[in-house]
Amino acid sequence: GAGVSQSPSNKVTEKGKDVELRCDPISGHTALYWYRQSLGQGLEFLIYFQGNSAPDKSGLPSDRFSAERTGGSVSTLTIQRTQQEDSAVYLCASSSGTGENSPLHFGNGTRLTVT
Amino acid sequence: KQEVTQIPAALSVPEGENLVLNCSFTDSAIYNLQWFRQDPGKGLTSLLLIQSSQREQTSGRLNASLDKSSGRSTLYIAASQPGDSATYLCAVRDGTYKYIFGTGTRLKVLA
Repeated sequence: GAGVSQSPSNKVTEKGKDVELRCDPISGHTALYWYRQSLGQGLEFLIYFQGNSAPDKSGLPSDRFSAERTGGSVSTLTIQRTQQEDSAVYLCASSSGTGENSPLHFGNGTRLTVT
Repeated sequence: KQEVTQIPAALSVPEGENLVLNCSFTDSAIYNLQWFRQDPGKGLTSLLLIQSSQREQTSGRLNASLDKSSGRSTLYIAASQPGDSATYLCAVRDGTYKYIFGTGTRLKVLA
Protein backbone atom coordinates (compact mmCIF):
# COMPACT_ATOMS: atom_id res chain seq x y z
CA GLY A 1 0.00 0.00 0.00
CA ALA A 2 0.92 3.64 -0.24
CA GLY A 3 1.26 4.15 3.48
CA VAL A 4 1.17 2.47 6.87
CA SER A 5 -2.27 1.02 7.49
CA GLN A 6 -3.71 0.39 10.96
CA SER A 7 -6.94 -1.30 11.95
CA PRO A 8 -9.30 -0.80 13.54
CA SER A 9 -9.23 2.99 13.65
CA ASN A 10 -11.32 2.96 16.82
CA LYS A 11 -11.88 0.25 19.40
CA VAL A 12 -14.10 0.40 22.47
CA THR A 13 -13.79 -2.53 24.81
CA GLU A 14 -14.83 -3.49 28.30
CA LYS A 15 -12.30 -3.74 31.06
CA GLY A 16 -10.87 -7.24 31.25
CA LYS A 17 -11.33 -8.11 27.58
CA ASP A 18 -8.48 -8.83 25.17
CA VAL A 19 -7.87 -6.67 22.09
CA GLU A 20 -5.78 -7.06 18.95
CA LEU A 21 -4.49 -4.10 16.98
CA ARG A 22 -3.13 -4.57 13.50
CA CYS A 23 -0.43 -2.74 11.54
CA ASP A 24 0.39 -3.19 7.88
CA PRO A 25 3.66 -1.35 7.14
CA ILE A 26 4.81 0.13 3.87
CA SER A 27 5.83 -2.65 1.52
CA GLY A 28 9.54 -3.41 1.77
CA HIS A 29 10.04 -1.60 5.07
CA THR A 30 12.07 -3.80 7.37
CA ALA A 31 11.77 -1.75 10.56
CA LEU A 32 8.47 -1.53 12.44
CA TYR A 33 7.69 0.36 15.65
CA TRP A 34 4.74 0.54 18.00
CA TYR A 35 4.20 3.68 20.07
CA ARG A 36 1.49 4.72 22.48
CA GLN A 37 0.16 8.28 22.74
CA SER A 38 -1.84 9.14 25.82
CA LEU A 39 -3.79 12.36 26.21
CA GLY A 40 -1.43 15.24 26.94
CA GLN A 41 1.62 13.00 26.87
CA GLY A 42 4.40 12.39 24.41
CA LEU A 43 4.79 9.25 22.37
CA GLU A 44 5.88 6.27 24.42
CA PHE A 45 7.99 3.59 22.73
CA LEU A 46 6.54 0.08 23.07
CA ILE A 47 8.32 -2.35 20.76
CA TYR A 48 10.61 -2.47 17.72
CA PHE A 49 11.00 -5.11 15.00
CA GLN A 50 13.86 -5.18 12.50
CA GLY A 51 13.77 -7.83 9.82
CA ASN A 52 14.05 -11.30 11.29
CA SER A 53 15.96 -10.17 14.39
CA ALA A 54 14.57 -10.63 17.87
CA PRO A 55 12.34 -7.65 18.70
CA ASP A 56 13.17 -5.05 21.32
CA LYS A 57 10.29 -5.38 23.78
CA SER A 58 11.80 -3.10 26.40
CA GLY A 59 8.99 -0.54 26.18
CA LEU A 60 6.08 -2.87 26.80
CA PRO A 61 4.49 -1.63 30.06
CA SER A 62 3.43 -5.02 31.42
CA ASP A 63 3.21 -8.71 30.54
CA ARG A 64 -0.36 -8.10 29.39
CA PHE A 65 1.12 -6.55 26.27
CA SER A 66 2.63 -8.63 23.47
CA ALA A 67 3.33 -8.17 19.78
CA GLU A 68 4.33 -10.26 16.87
CA ARG A 69 5.30 -9.66 13.30
CA THR A 70 4.57 -12.40 10.82
CA GLY A 71 6.65 -12.90 7.70
CA GLY A 72 8.50 -9.67 8.32
CA SER A 73 5.42 -7.68 7.35
CA VAL A 74 2.12 -7.35 9.23
CA SER A 75 2.32 -6.83 12.99
CA THR A 76 -0.28 -7.43 15.68
CA LEU A 77 -0.21 -5.79 19.12
CA THR A 78 -2.24 -7.73 21.67
CA ILE A 79 -3.39 -6.39 25.02
CA GLN A 80 -4.81 -8.97 27.39
CA ARG A 81 -7.20 -8.23 30.26
CA THR A 82 -7.43 -4.56 29.31
CA GLN A 83 -7.43 -1.90 32.00
CA GLN A 84 -8.72 1.67 31.87
CA GLU A 85 -5.17 3.02 31.89
CA ASP A 86 -4.60 1.23 28.57
CA SER A 87 -6.88 3.79 26.90
CA ALA A 88 -4.72 5.67 24.41
CA VAL A 89 -3.92 5.98 20.71
CA TYR A 90 -1.64 3.19 19.53
CA LEU A 91 0.54 4.25 16.63
CA CYS A 92 2.52 2.06 14.29
CA ALA A 93 5.43 3.31 12.20
CA SER A 94 7.76 1.76 9.68
CA SER A 95 10.99 2.72 7.99
CA SER A 96 13.03 1.32 5.15
CA GLY A 97 15.93 0.39 7.40
CA THR A 98 18.24 1.58 10.10
CA GLY A 99 20.16 4.06 7.98
CA GLU A 100 20.65 7.62 9.13
CA ASN A 101 18.45 8.87 6.31
CA SER A 102 15.51 6.51 6.85
CA PRO A 103 12.52 8.53 8.06
CA LEU A 104 9.69 7.11 10.12
CA HIS A 105 6.30 6.80 8.45
CA PHE A 106 3.29 6.57 10.73
CA GLY A 107 -0.17 5.12 10.35
CA ASN A 108 -3.27 6.97 11.56
CA GLY A 109 -3.37 4.98 14.76
CA THR A 110 -5.94 2.97 16.67
CA ARG A 111 -7.83 4.86 19.35
CA LEU A 112 -8.48 2.39 22.17
CA THR A 113 -11.08 3.17 24.83
CA VAL A 114 -11.45 0.81 27.76
CA THR A 115 -14.72 1.27 29.64
CA LYS B 1 18.72 9.34 29.50
CA GLN B 2 17.73 11.40 26.47
CA GLU B 3 15.01 13.95 27.08
CA VAL B 4 13.36 16.10 24.41
CA THR B 5 11.61 19.35 25.21
CA GLN B 6 9.53 21.57 22.95
CA ILE B 7 8.76 25.17 23.74
CA PRO B 8 6.25 26.74 23.53
CA ALA B 9 3.56 24.14 24.19
CA ALA B 10 1.08 26.24 22.21
CA LEU B 11 1.33 29.14 19.82
CA SER B 12 -1.24 31.28 18.06
CA VAL B 13 -0.19 33.61 15.22
CA PRO B 14 -1.90 35.65 12.51
CA GLU B 15 -1.76 34.38 8.95
CA GLY B 16 1.33 35.43 7.01
CA GLU B 17 3.64 35.58 10.00
CA ASN B 18 6.99 33.80 10.01
CA LEU B 19 7.48 31.64 13.07
CA VAL B 20 10.00 29.43 14.83
CA LEU B 21 9.33 26.29 16.83
CA ASN B 22 11.98 25.06 19.22
CA CYS B 23 13.19 21.60 20.17
CA SER B 24 15.93 20.86 22.68
CA PHE B 25 17.52 17.56 23.68
CA THR B 26 19.82 16.65 26.53
CA ASP B 27 22.23 14.19 24.88
CA SER B 28 24.04 15.46 21.80
CA ALA B 29 24.96 11.94 20.63
CA ILE B 30 22.05 11.63 18.24
CA TYR B 31 21.77 9.74 14.98
CA ASN B 32 19.25 12.05 13.37
CA LEU B 33 16.36 14.35 14.20
CA GLN B 34 12.97 14.35 12.57
CA TRP B 35 10.15 16.90 12.58
CA PHE B 36 6.54 15.76 12.23
CA ARG B 37 3.12 17.36 12.13
CA GLN B 38 0.05 15.75 13.61
CA ASP B 39 -3.47 16.78 12.69
CA PRO B 40 -6.30 16.02 15.14
CA GLY B 41 -7.24 12.35 15.10
CA LYS B 42 -4.46 11.50 12.68
CA GLY B 43 -1.05 9.92 12.77
CA LEU B 44 2.20 11.77 12.35
CA THR B 45 3.35 13.08 8.99
CA SER B 46 7.09 13.36 8.44
CA LEU B 47 8.17 16.88 7.48
CA LEU B 48 11.95 16.96 7.57
CA LEU B 49 14.76 14.68 8.66
CA ILE B 50 18.19 16.06 9.54
CA GLN B 51 21.08 13.63 9.73
CA SER B 52 23.62 14.11 12.53
CA SER B 53 26.21 15.48 10.10
CA GLN B 54 23.84 18.05 8.61
CA ARG B 55 23.06 21.57 9.79
CA GLU B 56 19.74 22.14 8.08
CA GLN B 57 17.11 20.83 5.72
CA THR B 58 14.54 22.71 3.68
CA SER B 59 11.23 21.75 2.14
CA GLY B 60 9.08 24.49 0.63
CA ARG B 61 8.22 27.01 3.35
CA LEU B 62 9.82 24.86 6.04
CA ASN B 63 13.41 25.00 7.21
CA ALA B 64 14.81 22.91 10.02
CA SER B 65 18.18 23.52 11.61
CA LEU B 66 20.25 21.36 13.91
CA ASP B 67 22.93 22.38 16.41
CA LYS B 68 24.07 19.18 18.07
CA SER B 69 26.61 20.81 20.35
CA SER B 70 23.96 22.96 21.99
CA GLY B 71 21.29 20.27 21.82
CA ARG B 72 18.84 22.34 19.81
CA SER B 73 16.80 22.25 16.64
CA THR B 74 14.44 24.84 15.23
CA LEU B 75 11.66 24.55 12.68
CA TYR B 76 11.10 27.76 10.77
CA ILE B 77 7.79 28.21 8.97
CA ALA B 78 7.65 31.08 6.49
CA ALA B 79 4.49 32.95 5.59
CA SER B 80 2.25 30.82 7.80
CA GLN B 81 -1.20 29.74 6.55
CA PRO B 82 -4.31 28.46 8.36
CA GLY B 83 -3.57 25.03 6.85
CA ASP B 84 -0.36 24.95 8.89
CA SER B 85 -2.44 24.65 12.06
CA ALA B 86 -1.47 21.36 13.70
CA THR B 87 0.71 19.95 16.44
CA TYR B 88 4.40 19.83 15.55
CA LEU B 89 6.61 17.21 17.15
CA CYS B 90 10.31 16.66 17.02
CA ALA B 91 11.99 13.33 17.65
CA VAL B 92 15.62 12.41 18.08
CA ARG B 93 16.98 9.02 17.26
CA ASP B 94 19.55 7.78 19.70
CA GLY B 95 22.54 5.64 18.81
CA THR B 96 20.35 2.61 18.34
CA TYR B 97 17.02 2.87 16.58
CA LYS B 98 14.71 4.37 19.18
CA TYR B 99 13.11 7.72 18.58
CA ILE B 100 12.49 9.89 21.62
CA PHE B 101 9.69 12.39 21.10
CA GLY B 102 8.96 15.78 22.53
CA THR B 103 5.42 16.58 23.67
CA GLY B 104 4.87 18.93 20.74
CA THR B 105 3.90 22.52 20.00
CA ARG B 106 0.25 23.11 19.15
CA LEU B 107 0.14 25.77 16.43
CA LYS B 108 -2.89 27.76 15.43
CA VAL B 109 -2.67 30.14 12.46
CA LEU B 110 -5.51 32.64 12.44
CA ALA B 111 -7.07 33.73 9.15
